[in-house]
Order: sequence, then structure tokens, then C-alpha cells
Amino acid sequence: RKEVEQDPGPFNVPEGATVAFNCTYSNSASQSFFWYRQDCRKEPKLLMSVYSSGNEDGRFTAQLNRASQYISLLIRDSKLSDSATYLCVVNMGSNYQLIWGAGTKLIIKP
Amino acid sequence: NAGVMQNPRHLVRRRGQEARLRCSPMKGHSHVYWYRQLPEEGLKFMVYLQKENIIDESGMPKERFSAEFPKEGPSILRIQQVVRGDSAAYFCASSPGLVESYEQYFGPGTRLTVT
Repeated sequence: RKEVEQDPGPFNVPEGATVAFNCTYSNSASQSFFWYRQDCRKEPKLLMSVYSSGNEDGRFTAQLNRASQYISLLIRDSKLSDSATYLCVVNMGSNYQLIWGAGTKLIIKP
Repeated sequence: NAGVMQNPRHLVRRRGQEARLRCSPMKGHSHVYWYRQLPEEGLKFMVYLQKENIIDESGMPKERFSAEFPKEGPSILRIQQVVRGDSAAYFCASSPGLVESYEQYFGPGTRLTVT
């Protein structure tokens, strides 16, 4: 089993719709969780950290479910500019090393 | 406040040559990470460095690849005797190295093409 797993997609979603993806992680000792987005041929950019209590930033909401060991990302009122690959990232306990999922590709269609 | 800087942005090398990739972390960041990304694939961790120390190089091939982060100057990822399979995007990220913050910030990457 991979340490961090994501559905690769692509998710084809009409503009204005709500879309959600999950990411599962294998290490129950993981402490920090992040969502990054990566545009084609660009560097990953931090979208948001995921806290135990959840985190909301505008149209984006991230949740953590420790019992089931997954994190989720919800995007409301999706925009064309949301088209990207969304990377789930988990750190392992006190280790600085981040484990990266392979990403979920999102395509927003007009 | 400049972000993470990488150069060159594009590098073309013939098989057997050496490639040197440079990374200057964000101001105030003392931790540097190198990643490799093949087309249509996810990021693969290569090496984690602090100033003058390699902390974790478990993702780096044992041969031909080396990395350093000297006391002064940028971090360098060096690939000797490049082969076609080394063609990829190489990203550098930095973090402040604080226990409460594992967030990493990425440079624009160096795209290495081996001909």
C-alpha cells in the first residue's frame, strides 16, 4: 500500500459546480497535512494546511479524518482557473520529510 | 522578498556530461529539499539538507548524484555522466525548519534535457 494515495482523475467538472477529493495516508503517526496545487509544467504551490479542526479559505475547505486516515479537499463554485493537479502531502511524525501523493487532476469546463 | 530561486531554468546536456543545478532558499530558510518529477508523474523526494549537512538522502540514486548546501552560497545538485533517463524537472523547496512549520516553498524548477 502506498503511503499517500490519491485518485489520479481526471475529474471533469462544469464551472460553478462543487467538487471534492480525498487522500488516504498509511501512517497513523502523521502530524501535518497539506494540499498543494500544481499547474502544468510549474512548481507546486501551497494551497492550504489541514488542521485537526478543519480549515476553510474562501471557496476551499480541507478536512482531516484521523480515525479513517484521510484528508479531503472541497472546492465550491469552481472556476476555470481551478484546473490543476492537486497534491496531497503528509509528514511523518517528527520527520521533516514530506510524503507526496501523485496528485488528482482537475479540469473545470466552461 | 524573493522566493526560492533556481537556475538555470532549462539545461540541455549531452549524454556523459555533468549537470549542476542551483537553488537559493527563501530568506530565513535553512532547510532545502530536492525533488525530481518525470513527465505525468508525481514528485519524488531526493535529498534533504541543512547548511553543511545532508540530513536524508534516501531518495537519491547511489551513483552519479550528489548534493551539497555549503555555509555560503546556494545548494547544488550535481549529476555526473548524465543519461537520457535523467531528463526531468528538478524542483528545490525550502522551509524555515521550525518544528511548528513543515510547509515547503518551491522554486520554479530546472528542466533538464539529456540528448
